[in-house]
Amino acid sequence: ETGVTQTPRHLVMGMTNKKSLKCEQHLGHNAMYWYKQSAKKPLELMFVYSLEERVENNSVPSRFSPECPNSSHLFLHLHTLQPEDSALYLCASSHSGTSANNEQFFGPGTRLTVL
Amino acid sequence: LAKTTQPISMDSYEGQEVNITCSHNNIATNDYITWYQQFPSQGPRFIIQGYKTKVTNEVASLFIPADRKSSTLSLPRVSLSDTAVYYCLVGDEDSGAGSYQLTFGKGTKLSVIP
Repeated sequence: ETGVTQTPRHLVMGMTNKKSLKCEQHLGHNAMYWYKQSAKKPLELMFVYSLEERVENNSVPSRFSPECPNSSHLFLHLHTLQPEDSALYLCASSHSGTSANNEQFFGPGTRLTVL
Repeated sequence: LAKTTQPISMDSYEGQEVNITCSHNNIATNDYITWYQQFPSQGPRFIIQGYKTKVTNEVASLFIPADRKSSTLSLPRVSLSDTAVYYCLVGDEDSGAGSYQLTFGKGTKLSVIP
């Protein structure tokens, strides 16, 4: 058990739908991350939050909107997605900071399919 | 923007030692090199981390040369359960934008054969 949970585990949505992915960490960490993993690309960092403030946004399209209401919860709001957005979306947390020096604990991911 | 390079795949028989090398040219001075393991339908899991020379834990060893531009993950006597994708992670600073990137490699798919 990694201590990081993600819901839902699977999601199928149309391009006009609005949905949200949820991540929760029970580790007392201060930093949380969203990654995208698709078949043809390596793990892509999307967003980073440290102490509930966004510190990194790697040129992600505005159809992805993150929200971090507290240090234990992270959301990814989705709207008007494209089929190429179909991927595994992974959430991770780390104790402090956003350096690669900090061990990240990953959740199991949400498998998203956009029709 | 720094990139990491790993072999796409490797095959090994059970009981053999496996070495996976990652190249990372622009690692930051204070950054460590971290390796993760990922099984299908799961998130990556931390294996080992090091700064220089050699680090060993109960599952792997990590060798880092003096210039730190590469690292080698060594798995002793692999078993079928070691079949997974292995990623190296380094942090690097984009000198142009001043932003901090967490760059995973593309991963090496290790297949252990009975």
